[in-house]
Amino acid sequence: DADVTQTPRNRITKTGKRIMLECSQTKGHDRMYWYRQDPGLGLQLIYYSFDVKDINKGEISDGYSVSRQAQAKFSLSLESAIPNQTALYFCATSDFGDEQFFGPGTRLTVL
Amino acid sequence: GESVGLHLPTLSVQEGDNSIINCAYSNSASDYFIWYKQESGKGPQFIIDIRSNMDKRQGQRVTVLLNKTVKHLSLQIAATQPGDSAVYFCAETPNTDKLIFGTGTRLQVFP
Repeated sequence: DADVTQTPRNRITKTGKRIMLECSQTKGHDRMYWYRQDPGLGLQLIYYSFDVKDINKGEISDGYSVSRQAQAKFSLSLESAIPNQTALYFCATSDFGDEQFFGPGTRLTVL
Repeated sequence: GESVGLHLPTLSVQEGDNSIINCAYSNSASDYFIWYKQESGKGPQFIIDIRSNMDKRQGQRVTVLLNKTVKHLSLQIAATQPGDSAVYFCAETPNTDKLIFGTGTRLQVFP
């Protein structure tokens, strides 16, 4: 969905490096989410934010942090990347109680 | 914890046939359900949703059925086409905060 963009689309990094994944949206939604998807599996919620001043942990927040810089921007950081954080990462946005719109994903490989 | 699951991990159908993808959910408090389609290398894309005050909803070639008695959700795709090949996820909302995704069903369409 072009309304939700993620950068970078692909990233290869080494164990111990700090990585930031960025998400921007033009839908004007207050709610933003970060998910992780492992091969052959569903999406697991890492963090979510209902507005600029609201940050909440999801199912698998350990090893991750987030920053909601503005209504339209929500970034995910891995402070010290480890190999088992190799996965696809998706950002999503929504209005209250409605469907979530997903970005194209970032493929992260940690060596 | 509560979870959403799928009965069949892979479904193979012939082009032109109807497809039925099933999903079981365990949280009786869930009041909103969504089906997403995820094509290879892309983010999940909204297909259809249904709220708990309904038991059926139809879209273009797709129908979602909700049976709250047995906590079961299904997605029916009429006249399945090659472009329908993807992984399909059901998701439930036990509250208005976030979605819980199932592990997905891969739909394969053969000629």
